Amino acid sequence: QQQVKQSPQSLIVQKGGISIINCAYENTAFDYFPWYQQFPGKGPALLIAIRPDVSEKKEGRFTISFNKSAKQFSLHIMDSQPGDSATYFCAASRTDSWGKLQFGAGTQVVVTP
Amino acid sequence: EAQVTQNPRYLITVTGKKLTVTCSQNMNHEYMSWYRQDPGLGLRQIYYSMNVEVTDKGDVPEGYKVSRKEKRNFPLILESPSPNQTSLYFCASSLESPSEDEQYFGPGTRLTVT
Repeated sequence: QQQVKQSPQSLIVQKGGISIINCAYENTAFDYFPWYQQFPGKGPALLIAIRPDVSEKKEGRFTISFNKSAKQFSLHIMDSQPGDSATYFCAASRTDSWGKLQFGAGTQVVVTP
Repeated sequence: EAQVTQNPRYLITVTGKKLTVTCSQNMNHEYMSWYRQDPGLGLRQIYYSMNVEVTDKGDVPEGYKVSRKEKRNFPLILESPSPNQTSLYFCASSLESPSEDEQYFGPGTRLTVT
């Protein structure tokens, strides 16, 4: 049973548009929420991560929004570019669990020119 | 170049024939982990290792074995592969646990068991 539910499964956005991917979790003990980006034929790579003491974290065009009361967090990709076309995974873990990450199912993002 | 390497990258085998997928990292990382990636399920952790000779089960350990005799290597062993182990496998490493430090993934091993 997946502990982190991710939606949508896939997303098509035009160049310059905003991509939004949502994740929800149940375990309130989770205290670390990373997003990974995976290009075809490659392993995932850490994109950005947040801890529950902040509601938003921004790195360049990528922003995580975190809603602790709703147990939801989301990734926003602003000014989406064709090079952002990839699969994105959200994840969650407890710091005291030796970093056992629970991953969402993934979202395939396609940015059209 | 700092990296995690896996071999082989592609493997087709038959049910019951023992196989080993090797993983090596050159970053002096303490923590290593094996994941499998299946469509619609994301990545699921198979086993992880906090240090040499210290390993523990992840979420889907059945049918797999690991060992950590050296810091840099963390092989994944399938003693008797079955078709339900057909998957894309990733090895990963980090200096500390993945919730404390960035986790680096290898390029993946695509395994098909017929």
